[in-house]
Amino acid sequence: DTVLTQSPLSLPVKPGEPASISCRSSQSLLHTNEYNYMEWYLQKPGQSPQLLIYLGSNRASGVPDRFSGSGSGTDFTLKISRVEAEDVGVYYCMQVLYTPHSFGQGTKLEIK
Amino acid sequence: QVQLVESGGGVVQPLRSLRLSCAASGFSFNTYGMHWVRQAPGKGLEWVAFVAFDGNYKIYADSVKGRFTISRDNFNNTLYLQMNSLRTEDTAVYYCARTILPALDWWGQGTLVTVSS
Repeated sequence: DTVLTQSPLSLPVKPGEPASISCRSSQSLLHTNEYNYMEWYLQKPGQSPQLLIYLGSNRASGVPDRFSGSGSGTDFTLKISRVEAEDVGVYYCMQVLYTPHSFGQGTKLEIK
Repeated sequence: QVQLVESGGGVVQPLRSLRLSCAASGFSFNTYGMHWVRQAPGKGLEWVAFVAFDGNYKIYADSVKGRFTISRDNFNNTLYLQMNSLRTEDTAVYYCARTILPALDWWGQGTLVTVSS
């Protein structure tokens, strides 16, 4: 099975500062079609998860441009250029290239 | 607007069965693949199962294979998860989510299943 390892697991950030979350996969997520099958989700407190980034680097509809995804193969990063109070919650990476699909453990972002 | 509304959760004894439903509206249900994802209390997300748009392709997590069955009714715009031989470790909030391959772009609010004697 494909294991996704996120770091850090806890991320305290001051408003206006940047933040970065890493997700490493035990197998390459680069498909032969040259897309990386890596997605990022945010679960705000008390809410369902919401899609942020798909195919490694594409922002979902309505996602602010302060969020960006990068990486290829086994190493991926989600960056927030300037954290805002509404960004608190748990961030998950997910792979859907291999079955069974899998999530990372989650990274809890909190405001300092 | 897009809506996914799960139902059918509750308290059930170990080894019993339960069927979850996910009513879809606001989009062409029969053109989307659908997933079930669960979240145990205080824990992270765990992918459970996927069914293709036409119901002809299904995949499962190892932890539920042989016990859970995902299905869909495209006439009534409803997704199902039949859960048999339930275990205490199946206790979780169960979310349905639609997929524009490969992303899960819309999630329901979840339904809580508690397996306890």
